Amino acid sequence: DAGVIQSPRHEVTEMGQEVTLRCKPISGHDYLFWYRQTMMRGLELLIYFNNNVPIDDSGMPEDRFSAKMPNASFSTLKIQPSEPRDSAVYFCASSFRGGGNTEAFFGQGTRLTVV
Amino acid sequence: AQSVTQPDIHITVSEGASLELRCNYSYGATPYLFWYVQSPGQGLQLLLKYFSGDTLVQGIKGFEAEFKRSQSSFNLRKPSVHWSDAAEYFCAVGPRGANNLFFGTGTRLTVIP
Repeated sequence: DAGVIQSPRHEVTEMGQEVTLRCKPISGHDYLFWYRQTMMRGLELLIYFNNNVPIDDSGMPEDRFSAKMPNASFSTLKIQPSEPRDSAVYFCASSFRGGGNTEAFFGQGTRLTVV
Repeated sequence: AQSVTQPDIHITVSEGASLELRCNYSYGATPYLFWYVQSPGQGLQLLLKYFSGDTLVQGIKGFEAEFKRSQSSFNLRKPSVHWSDAAEYFCAVGPRGANNLFFGTGTRLTVIP
């Protein structure tokens, strides 16, 4: 397996534009996590899914953020409209039987810059 | 409140020297414990994990960590650091019964010749 695949690796966009980040988890994994990493706040869990169903989205900062998982092999994180303070590295991770008691595998991240 | 603390933001060691990175957690019960490493521009890679049993766990790349319940600590160690170990290291906890991971703020390791 190629691991967790995220795209794009880098995204530069103007304030107010819509941004969509994509993630392909490892085949067979039933949990998918979206994290945001910034210098100020470190790694924050935004949302996670179990069997394509959102379980906990309490980390999503505001309504401008939304995430979907239409099937077991694909998830998106959308920001609309984007703001400069959304600039960060966004990581997707997947695991089998939950990341709290087993290993979570991380993608290489998407570095988002909003200007 | 639940928390994961890595008190050292940045550590510099000489190549060949020993290393210890500190991690303390605050949870109601002993959680699952992890150490991840992040190289520049890369995602996080699992170094080792503790679920139960032997409190000294061995990981990849020559790392080990010791769980000390009395101190709520899970410190990462390596007897002899290599230049390739320069990276950011994250301690993480997974509360038992939960399905997510909470990360510390990370410790950046610099290795000097």
